[in-house]
Amino acid sequence: GQQLNQSPQSMFIQEGEDVSMNCTSSSIFNTWLWYKQDPGEGPVLLIALYKAGELTSNGRLTAQFGITRKDSFLNISASIPSDVGIYFCAGQFIIQGAQKLVFGQGTRLTINP
Amino acid sequence: ETGVTQTPRHLVMGMTNKKSLKCEQHLGHNAMYWYKQSAKKPLELMFVYSLEERVENNSVPSRFSPECPNSSHLFLHLHTLQPEDSALYLCASSQDLLFAGSYNEQFFGPGTRLTVL
Repeated sequence: GQQLNQSPQSMFIQEGEDVSMNCTSSSIFNTWLWYKQDPGEGPVLLIALYKAGELTSNGRLTAQFGITRKDSFLNISASIPSDVGIYFCAGQFIIQGAQKLVFGQGTRLTINP
Repeated sequence: ETGVTQTPRHLVMGMTNKKSLKCEQHLGHNAMYWYKQSAKKPLELMFVYSLEERVENNSVPSRFSPECPNSSHLFLHLHTLQPEDSALYLCASSQDLLFAGSYNEQFFGPGTRLTVL
């Protein structure tokens, strides 16, 4: 089956540091997504990437869709305490007109003030 | 209520019990999803409903039985579960897709934390 390999699994950083995490897959996806999950909540979409090579920013977040459509990275610049949480990459494909997401294992981000 | 709501938020059940999880979306979407989130494992898609028709059953055991009576409501009926079924069960909704090459955001509920004793 399709699997996404996300790394690192956890990060412990100081406030103000930049963060980088990535995802690779053996399969090609139409769309790559990055979600964040806070404790006690469901995941929330951060960035969606549609085209191979696309680089997209959302505030302090930057993500890129790999040229081969099999990988993506997410960077967070100048981290702040509210960045704490679990970050998931996800690949999207279509079945019978509905979309199916395959998620990575997640990167747990902890920030020391 | 706004967004996607799930009830109950926490559920403890024995292996012989029968219970149901409820999800309701207030976004006017026509596709709904059940995911399972276990510790140290990726979110696993369980079921997909598009226009109230099930389009995906991702090899889920029959002790999980979904029901989608209308586009706003999704249920997950549980019976004779095992302790390894303990997990966070997340519901999501989105607008259905008509063509490839696009993405309609899936909005997630807060989840139901299920513990099977």
